[in-house]
Amino acid sequence: NAGVMQNPRHLVRRRGQEARLRCSPMKGHSHVYWYRQLPEEGLKFMVYLQKENIIDESGMPKERFSAEFPKEGPSILRIQQVVRGDSAAYFCASSSTRSQGFAMSEQFFGPGTRLTVL
Amino acid sequence: SQKIEQNSEALNIQEGKTATLTCNYTNYSPAYLQWYRQDPGRGPVFLLLIRENEKEKRKERLKVTFDTTLKQSLFHITASQPADSATYLCALEPTGSGGYNKLIFGAGTRLAVHP
Repeated sequence: NAGVMQNPRHLVRRRGQEARLRCSPMKGHSHVYWYRQLPEEGLKFMVYLQKENIIDESGMPKERFSAEFPKEGPSILRIQQVVRGDSAAYFCASSSTRSQGFAMSEQFFGPGTRLTVL
Repeated sequence: SQKIEQNSEALNIQEGKTATLTCNYTNYSPAYLQWYRQDPGRGPVFLLLIRENEKEKRKERLKVTFDTTLKQSLFHITASQPADSATYLCALEPTGSGGYNKLIFGAGTRLAVHP
C-alpha cells in the first residue's frame, strides 16, 4: 500500500527555467494539498485540490505558480521562470475525506521535492 | 496578527526523561490541533489530534494537552528514547477555513534525546 509519492525528490533549475513537481496521492485519496517549507520555517499552505478542481489557492503566489489535479494522473505543481527565492522543499499531502466538524481526516505527506534554483 | 509559535531552540534531554514541547497560538480559534513528527529530508508524519473540547489525549508514550483559554498545547513524550529525536510540528486548522484541513504549521521544535 504505497504512500504519497512525489517526484523528483531533488530538482535543480537555473533562474528563468520551469519546474514541474509531481504528486501521486495515496490510493483512494481524492484530496491533495501542496505546502512549501523554507529552511527553519514551518510548512506554508499553498493550494488544495480535488480531482479536476482547485478548491483553495489562497497560499499560492499570484504569478508564475499553478497547480492542477487532472482526472487521470498525478497532481502537478508548476513554477514558471523560477527565481532563487523559489528554492525550498515542496510537500504534497493527501487525505481521503473532507473534514466536517469533528470528522477530521488525517493528512498523509509525501517525502517532498527539494527545489534548488541556481 | 495570527501566529502559531513553537520554541525555536532545540530541546536536549537525557534518555528516559520526559520531553515537553510547547505550541502557542494567537488570534486563532481552532476546532482542533495536531502534532506531527518530521525527520530530516522527510515529510511530516501525523502523531496526534486533539479537539477543542478535549483537555488531554494519549497515545502510547505520547500525551497532548490543549488549553483554549491559554491558547496553548503541550506535547509530552515520556520515557524518551534516542529514536524520538526529530523535529515536532504543531498544526491547526483555523475556523472559517472551509473545513477541509487547510493546516497552519508552526516552525517546529527540534528534540534531541541523548543516551
